[in-house]
Amino acid sequence: DGGITQSPKYLFRKEGQNVTLSCEQNLNHDAMYWYRQDPGQGLRLIYYSQIVNDFQKGDIAEGYSVSREKKESFPLTVTSAQKNPTAFYLCASSIDRQHFYEQYFGPGTRLTVT
Amino acid sequence: ILNVEQSPQSLHVQEGDSTNFTCSFPSSNFYALHWYRWETAKSPEALFVMTLNGDEKKKGRISATLNTKEGYSYLYIKGSQPEDSATYLCASTGGATNKLIFGTGTLLAVQP
Repeated sequence: DGGITQSPKYLFRKEGQNVTLSCEQNLNHDAMYWYRQDPGQGLRLIYYSQIVNDFQKGDIAEGYSVSREKKESFPLTVTSAQKNPTAFYLCASSIDRQHFYEQYFGPGTRLTVT
Repeated sequence: ILNVEQSPQSLHVQEGDSTNFTCSFPSSNFYALHWYRWETAKSPEALFVMTLNGDEKKKGRISATLNTKEGYSYLYIKGSQPEDSATYLCASTGGATNKLIFGTGTLLAVQP
């Protein structure tokens, strides 16, 4: 079955630790995205990648880093510099960056930092 | 930052009722409007992507319209069923950004 997987579903970390969220897709999509959801807000774009070895900052990139070494994988690292890391994180992909292509979403990772 | 607004925030209807909700967005530099359905404990799933003024799209009992000149889209559900219960998200591009900006969603609850 084609799709996007994110792991783990729930993640708990102590403040000051970096943590990496996994996102893998087998849809052969060029573009991948990371969003964050907070209560009462729409999905906000953290980073996106149009092609392997290329990525761009979204609207709220501070305190996050990404890599795109393989087409299938787009991991997100939440660093200790991120002031409010506790949130629900969604990964998505689309055929390419053109906005007339729908995005396919993973199931999400809920990160809790204490 | 582009502001995409959805109304109402939540909606409770009875099984069999028809319902609709609104997505408004800045009409300048419009490129595309997306609708997604997000059921609890599942991933958001695309319903429609619309790009042209006057577009109307339909999938079963769900349809959507697009007015890019005035900056709004309507999503209609005919004869709501309990399985339609979900959060409906819209997202649009436009304004000073070429990124897809999401609204906060409309939470629909259909009572049997």
